[in-house]
Amino acid sequence: QVTLKESGPGILQPSQTLSLTCSFSGFSLSTSGICVSWIRQPSGKGLEWLATICWEDSKGYNPSLKNRLTISKDTSNNQAFLKITSVDTADTAIYYCAPGPGWFAYWGQGTLVTVSS
Amino acid sequence: DIQMTQSPASLSASLGETVTIECRASEDIYNGLAWYQQKPGKSPQLLIYNANSLHTGVPSRFSGSGSGTQYSLKINSLQSEDVASYFCQQYYDYPFTFGSGTKLEIK
Repeated sequence: QVTLKESGPGILQPSQTLSLTCSFSGFSLSTSGICVSWIRQPSGKGLEWLATICWEDSKGYNPSLKNRLTISKDTSNNQAFLKITSVDTADTAIYYCAPGPGWFAYWGQGTLVTVSS
Repeated sequence: DIQMTQSPASLSASLGETVTIECRASEDIYNGLAWYQQKPGKSPQLLIYNANSLHTGVPSRFSGSGSGTQYSLKINSLQSEDVASYFCQQYYDYPFTFGSGTKLEIK
């Protein structure tokens, strides 16, 4: 059974760095073909893919966030991480993690991140 | 980036009706397309992947079709529990991109 849980700071101020953790079970990021992605959704709006990390440590980033994103993993502890630097109010959203080769069959419950001064 | 144009933005239909939602990609995505259903306050749920493969546990009244740049999601015999927002997503190429969503309501 695949489960995922996202965690984050809840609220942070503009210009700070957002650090998110995805803790999962039911699969391993050391297994060939497995990747984990981060996706976000501002309240009442659509979905935006942010980044993906795969079993062999390849990574993909959304260029719309330029160089603000860093994705990483801890295979031993079944976790994936995302850092977003220099946040502003536009980064306020629910952040989800999801495994998959491209489509996302399992999603966490999401963690709400609010950027506010 | 591959742009996904989804239509309509909102849809109102009667119970038992058949509805169709469409997504057009800005270039050929070679069936690298998924459809999701999202109910208020919940995470998205996968319905269809590879354009026409039904995800495990999804009712057979949902179906996907299309090829190239044009794809559609059809819901037969609309049920009250189908009230939700629906999103398409291309995963043929990075950056993965989503359609803007369709909000489905019951008349």
